Amino acid sequence: QQQVKQSPQSLIVQKGGISIINCAYENTAFDYFPWYQQFPGKGPALLIAIRPDVSEKKEGRFTISFNKSAKQFSLHIMDSQPGDSATYFCAASRYGGSQGNLIFGKGTKLSVKP
Amino acid sequence: GAVVSQHPSRVICKSGTSVKIECRSLDFQATTMFWYRQFPKQSLMLMATSNEGSKATYEQGVEKDKFLINHASLTLSTLTVTSAHPEDSSFYICSARPAGYTSTDTQYFGPGTRLTVL
Repeated sequence: QQQVKQSPQSLIVQKGGISIINCAYENTAFDYFPWYQQFPGKGPALLIAIRPDVSEKKEGRFTISFNKSAKQFSLHIMDSQPGDSATYFCAASRYGGSQGNLIFGKGTKLSVKP
Repeated sequence: GAVVSQHPSRVICKSGTSVKIECRSLDFQATTMFWYRQFPKQSLMLMATSNEGSKATYEQGVEKDKFLINHASLTLSTLTVTSAHPEDSSFYICSARPAGYTSTDTQYFGPGTRLTVL
């Protein structure tokens, strides 16, 4: 049973456009929702993260929108650039759990066309 | 800050041999380190969680005798793939959580190790 569902699987956006990636979770005990960016052959790098006590968090061109009632959260990349082309993973975890393990979505491959 | 390194970055070995992968937190102490496996174009799958000075906790379906994990210090964890077979070929990624974290579950990921078993 997949606990974090991510869509779309792939996304093509023109330079300067807005990239939107969505995730939905099932476990209401999750209370930490990070987004990771991964380039080919590299490990994931933390982009931005949110906790359910806020509905939105913005860092530069990256924004997380969080809808607790719908159990959904999304990543918005404003003014998308070719350098943003990478695979993006959403994740969720439960702080205070014995391990705080991250549960990852399946990833979205973003291609930003010049 | 918060840099995690892995060594080697790429390894090719013959079937039946053992391979050791090191994961180091370079500028922080990590009481907990995680080992993930990632197949091409797929997500990260947690293999095991290791806490410094204690036995690793393996996820369901992961053979603990095949994937030996040692977390002997607050900055080093090792994953040894014993008697490797071609199906063990994958991208192995470690992550580390800083000691004393209280308000975040942030994990810092290493660059990964590409294992190819011939």
